[in-house]
Amino acid sequence: KNEVEQSPQNLTAQEGEFITINCSYSVGISALHWLQQHPGGGIVSLFMLSSGKKKHGRLIATINIQEKHSSLHITASHPRDSAVYICAVRSNTGNQFYFGTGTSLTVIP
Amino acid sequence: NAGVTQTPKFQVLKTGQSMTLQCAQDMNHEYMSWYRQDPGMGLRLIHYSVGAGITDQGEVPNGYNVSRSTTEDFPLRLLSAAPSQTSVYFCASSYTGSYGYTFGSGTRLTVV
Repeated sequence: KNEVEQSPQNLTAQEGEFITINCSYSVGISALHWLQQHPGGGIVSLFMLSSGKKKHGRLIATINIQEKHSSLHITASHPRDSAVYICAVRSNTGNQFYFGTGTSLTVIP
Repeated sequence: NAGVTQTPKFQVLKTGQSMTLQCAQDMNHEYMSWYRQDPGMGLRLIHYSVGAGITDQGEVPNGYNVSRSTTEDFPLRLLSAAPSQTSVYFCASSYTGSYGYTFGSGTRLTVV
């Protein structure tokens, strides 16, 4: 069972391109998180959303609660954006977290 | 520096050995959790804690024990290591409720 599905699994883009990563989930949630995992393995929290849209620099995250869907957008992509992006949801029925398998992004100069 | 500190970063165990993965945070976060990350699979929750003295099982708790005697520390114990426990382990913490997460740098464990 996959409570969280991400697409695409892999993504290669040219520097400067606009990138979209999608996340769909099947459980009721209290919050959705977007995480970034760099090749060295460290994980950084990018966004936490419960509604609407958030923006941080070139990163934009949106969520549609009714459709159980979230997107992460990267504008003017750069090679340093190359990483695995992970969608995670916190269940609204307890303290369980469910994670997508990640989207591996490579940005080519 | 504030954050989540995990030790060790790397560990090789023989089947049947026991060990403890350490996790400490200095942000006074109530919520702490352990995950394992395996190739082709998302992070999976092993155990979590919502405060000192309170722990609960996650998605894949078998073979692991935890305790939370203080707010700062949340060790993960492998009582009898098995090759299936070869994985990368992450500890994370947050305030309870809908707040962002802080992850440790991970422990790469190999059981031979």
